[in-house]
Amino acid sequence: KAGVTQTPRYLIKTRGQQVTLSCSPISGHRSVSWYQQTPGQGLQFLFEYFSETQRNKGNFPGRFSGRQFSNSRSEMNVSTLELGDSALYLCASSQGEDYGYTFGSGTRLTVV
Amino acid sequence: GESVGLHLPTLSVQEGDNSIINCAYSNSASDYFIWYKQESGKGPQFIIDIRSNMDKRQGQRVTVLLNKTVKHLSLQIAATQPGDSAVYFCAENVEYGNKLVFGAGTILRVKS
Repeated sequence: KAGVTQTPRYLIKTRGQQVTLSCSPISGHRSVSWYQQTPGQGLQFLFEYFSETQRNKGNFPGRFSGRQFSNSRSEMNVSTLELGDSALYLCASSQGEDYGYTFGSGTRLTVV
Repeated sequence: GESVGLHLPTLSVQEGDNSIINCAYSNSASDYFIWYKQESGKGPQFIIDIRSNMDKRQGQRVTVLLNKTVKHLSLQIAATQPGDSAVYFCAENVEYGNKLVFGAGTILRVKS
């Protein structure tokens, strides 16, 4: 079956702009989580959605937001981009707690 | 942040040898742990998981050991192959809502 699909794969934005990233989970998976990966901070949890509800949120500023649609697809948005937002943004889907989390290949965001 | 990845430890092994990658986790209340492998340009790939009511779990060529007393996880890879070269992360599920906290990662280099 198809894995977790993230689009786009690469993105270049200018400081101050906003960006929306998309994630399509594995069919049947209702939980979608987002992570930011940087060389300096490693992998950090952004937020998690289950059945269109945000259940958990990491320690990121309010510029980072997300949502989940009724078909479980999820988007995350970053407003007023800063240079430090340059990172690999990863999405993971799961059937539920204590099941394996399958990651997509990520969206590489570069802010210039 | 909760995960620091500035300087990753490196483990170099000869092809065919066994590898042991170690990880210390932070939360004694964590009840689910996962090992991931990440190759360059890809998202983390699930290797093996273990729940806190177990102390050992085996997969194909991999074994995970959990020591809750000292909050330590290890991943053993038997007969390491060049294709095993990657960054390996341990992750703990710390809260309701699929929040994974990742370790800093270990680079595994396999010499032929």
